Amino acid sequence: GAVVSQHPSWVICKSGTSVKIECRSLDFQATTMFWYRQFPKQSLMLMATSNEGSKATYEQGVEKDKFLINHASLTLSTLTVTSAHPEDSSFYICSASWGGTGANVLTFGAGSRLTVL
Amino acid sequence: GDSVTQMEGPVTLSEEAFLTINCTYTATGYPSLFWYVQYPGEGLQLLLKATKADDKGSNKGFEATYRKETTSFHLEKGSVQVSDSAVYFCALRRQGGGKLIFGQGTELSVKP
Repeated sequence: GAVVSQHPSWVICKSGTSVKIECRSLDFQATTMFWYRQFPKQSLMLMATSNEGSKATYEQGVEKDKFLINHASLTLSTLTVTSAHPEDSSFYICSASWGGTGANVLTFGAGSRLTVL
Repeated sequence: GDSVTQMEGPVTLSEEAFLTINCTYTATGYPSLFWYVQYPGEGLQLLLKATKADDKGSNKGFEATYRKETTSFHLEKGSVQVSDSAVYFCALRRQGGGKLIFGQGTELSVKP
């Protein structure tokens, strides 16, 4: 079945540094990937939709200069949290769409827990 | 806009009890409906789905029926196990694909 791998699964960094999270589709080509953020005991908030070879579409209220998304290939999308601060600490989850145009199935990565000190 | 509303948790049940987690939605057209499960410290896993009215999704003893007339997709299981303890998310996706819209999640705790 479709597998999405996220790396790292957890990361601790100092305030002011940047952190990159990778999301890979292992056995399929993902033309579209989605990045979500989840606060403790809350639902997932969509941050942006990433299409291969084009700029990401950010949801309202999400800082595009803060959360840089790159989808350079059909199997890899990256989220870079720039100049991270403690309030950026969260669980970040990616998902990928597969199965063709208008596909109905999304596969999620296991998530990356970011802690900013 | 489109939205999903779930019953609030946490829900605490004894092992072998019957489970219902309510989910209602607001959407135009005919969205697809999903239930995802998130175990502690992990990402989301698709539990079941239904793509049209009256469809029943089922997996691992869980079931949910797509009710267009009541705009609902309630999750049920006849006999829960301790291993079912997790957070359950109801979600919808518009026809033609696109982003998933999630409910707020319902935490289930099953005691031995």
